[in-house]
Amino acid sequence: SAVISQKPSRDICQRGTSLTIQCQVDSQVTMMFWYRQQPGQSLTLIATANQGSEATYESGFVIDKFPISRPNLTFSTLTVSNMSPEDSSIYLCSVDGGRGASEKLFFGSGTQLSVL
Amino acid sequence: GEDVEQSLFLSVREGDSSVINCTYTDSSSTYLYWYKQEPGAGLQLLTYIFSNMDMKQDQRLTVLLNKKDKHLSLRIADTQTGDSAIYFCAESPMDSNYQLIWGAGTKLIIKP
Repeated sequence: SAVISQKPSRDICQRGTSLTIQCQVDSQVTMMFWYRQQPGQSLTLIATANQGSEATYESGFVIDKFPISRPNLTFSTLTVSNMSPEDSSIYLCSVDGGRGASEKLFFGSGTQLSVL
Repeated sequence: GEDVEQSLFLSVREGDSSVINCTYTDSSSTYLYWYKQEPGAGLQLLTYIFSNMDMKQDQRLTVLLNKKDKHLSLRIADTQTGDSAIYFCAESPMDSNYQLIWGAGTKLIIKP
């Protein structure tokens, strides 16, 4: 299984600022995803991070608010821009299992974001 | 549309079996998953089942799939306090390209 390091694990931020979350995988993976989990709710897919091209965003999420980078097959970042209290959530990086386990999705430990 | 439904809470006594149920709507789903989320943590893949299987057993975990009724269950034998978590059911529709459809999660509460 893929080992995913996500940081920071938690942060408290001021309204109007931005936070960049990093996701590092111990092996090359094809697919990397960013999810949001609002308090007491299930997961919502924000976007698919594509290596070498722009991310693919789901309905309701836009690049200006959630810019994503994916410079290579093991790393991605998600930025939460111009934050408001409504952005307080857990943000999760997810990857496919790679060769031999591509049907599985693995998750980082998440970033718990609180916006004041 | 696509939907995955779960009960929000399940309370069991320590040592008893827990059965967490899930219904889904997309019959094309190739894989169905159970993930566990402990407080303050990310999601851990517990187990998954391929859609042509009826049952899968892994130590204390038993997954049952009734494809006709689109019903998935997770049984945890001899439930321990460490099993306290939220359990998410998810399906992977055939053309989804890894985009899982998630249930809202079932919070498993263990009573001493």
